Amino acid sequence: GAVVSQHPSRVICKSGTSVKIECRSLDFQATTMFWYRQFPKQSLMLMATSNEGSKATYEQGVEKDKFLINHASLTLSTLTVTSAHPEDSSFYICSATKGKGELFFGEGSRLTVL
Amino acid sequence: TQLLEQSPQFLSIQEGENLTVYCNSSSVFSSLQWYRQEPGEGPVLLVTVVTGGEVKKLKRLTFQFGDARKDSSLHITAAQPGDTGLYLCAGEYNFNKFYFGSGTKLNVKP
Repeated sequence: GAVVSQHPSRVICKSGTSVKIECRSLDFQATTMFWYRQFPKQSLMLMATSNEGSKATYEQGVEKDKFLINHASLTLSTLTVTSAHPEDSSFYICSATKGKGELFFGEGSRLTVL
Repeated sequence: TQLLEQSPQFLSIQEGENLTVYCNSSSVFSSLQWYRQEPGEGPVLLVTVVTGGEVKKLKRLTFQFGDARKDSSLHITAAQPGDTGLYLCAGEYNFNKFYFGSGTKLNVKP
């Protein structure tokens, strides 16, 4: 199997605070992890590509200082939304790949910024 | 800007009807995947197509990859209420990097 787990599944925070979301591959080592953002009734928008031990590659228009990504090991990547504002409220989803062109998705994390 | 355009965006049909969802791009993909997503959950992989012209069947679902590997279609035969969900195509643009289509929200009424 290939299980990817995200935590927390839901988080509510006050405006101005920072929130960290974890993405773990539970039964395999992920060569690459991806972070997506999804607004209600819309598709997934790729935010960044994360490789273990190197800096994340951000998509155009995504602020790297706003969305900090750390990929400390082959099984863990974290996304930190810094100084969150209401417009950052969204569904954040990570995915991981074993390197054979298959993506395995986490359950998603719903962030609500008050 | 979406790299992949899906159509239709919304589809509401009666149980038993057939439907086709299209995924189109001007870019060539090394592979293309179709996903189904339920509200509040991550996408679940349905199929991966790799070869131009490839056709794969999954019970009542038929997936086709265009000859030029720029487009794909998903055909559902005799749709059932359990097929209701958001269908997403995703193209592998660079190695292991996938971009998602705009999504098709399907509602199958009993």
